[in-house]
Amino acid sequence: EVLLLESGGGLVQPGGSLRLSCAASGLIFNSHAMSWVRQAPGKGLEWVSTLTDSGSSTYYADSVKGRFTISRDNSKNRLFLQMDSLRAEDTAVYYCAKMEGSGSYTFGGYHYMDVWGQGTTVTVSS
Amino acid sequence: DMQMTQSPSSLSASVGDRVTITCRASQNIDSYLNWFQQKPGKAPKLLIYASSSLQRGVPSRFSGSGSGTDFTLTINSLQPEDFATYYCQQSYGRFAFGPGTTVNIK
Repeated sequence: EVLLLESGGGLVQPGGSLRLSCAASGLIFNSHAMSWVRQAPGKGLEWVSTLTDSGSSTYYADSVKGRFTISRDNSKNRLFLQMDSLRAEDTAVYYCAKMEGSGSYTFGGYHYMDVWGQGTTVTVSS
Repeated sequence: DMQMTQSPSSLSASVGDRVTITCRASQNIDSYLNWFQQKPGKAPKLLIYASSSLQRGVPSRFSGSGSGTDFTLTINSLQPEDFATYYCQQSYGRFAFGPGTTVNIK
């Protein structure tokens, strides 16, 4: 069984930083792209970032580009999200998700998030 | 930027009903469309990928169709465990989600 477990969430002041971690088990981690998706309180889902299996290509939502950095350690089966210059609107539950599928990430591909973690809560407030 | 819309934003239905949810993309996305179910306090669950492919383990009462800009998620014979919020998501360019459709008990 594939399991994803996020950690690292918490309360941080505006302008601060936080690093989220996602520990993966039950899969060949370096064979899968991984993503972060967030959900603000009472709101819908928002894709945040995707990282290819090798870590060579990254993709970001415009709302976090230049502030967030996605990375992975394939030797430790871990995915990370470094969040800098945090804003109140970054307050959300952050989910990591395993990707499946094929094709381009920028011009159409059959990619989908088939396994999700339980989420970790990030609160940005003074 | 790609925009996804869903209709209705919410609906009320009874057990046994057939429910249809529509998702529309702001530009042609071929069949690069996924559907998720989310229950309160829980992570989303993949139902359908590539517009019409049923994810392993998902009941066959769920089905998806469409291509281009217009897509549909259909739930045949709604069950008590199906009351939830449903999201579409495109994988044409990045991974924008629709705003969601909440299925409530009538």
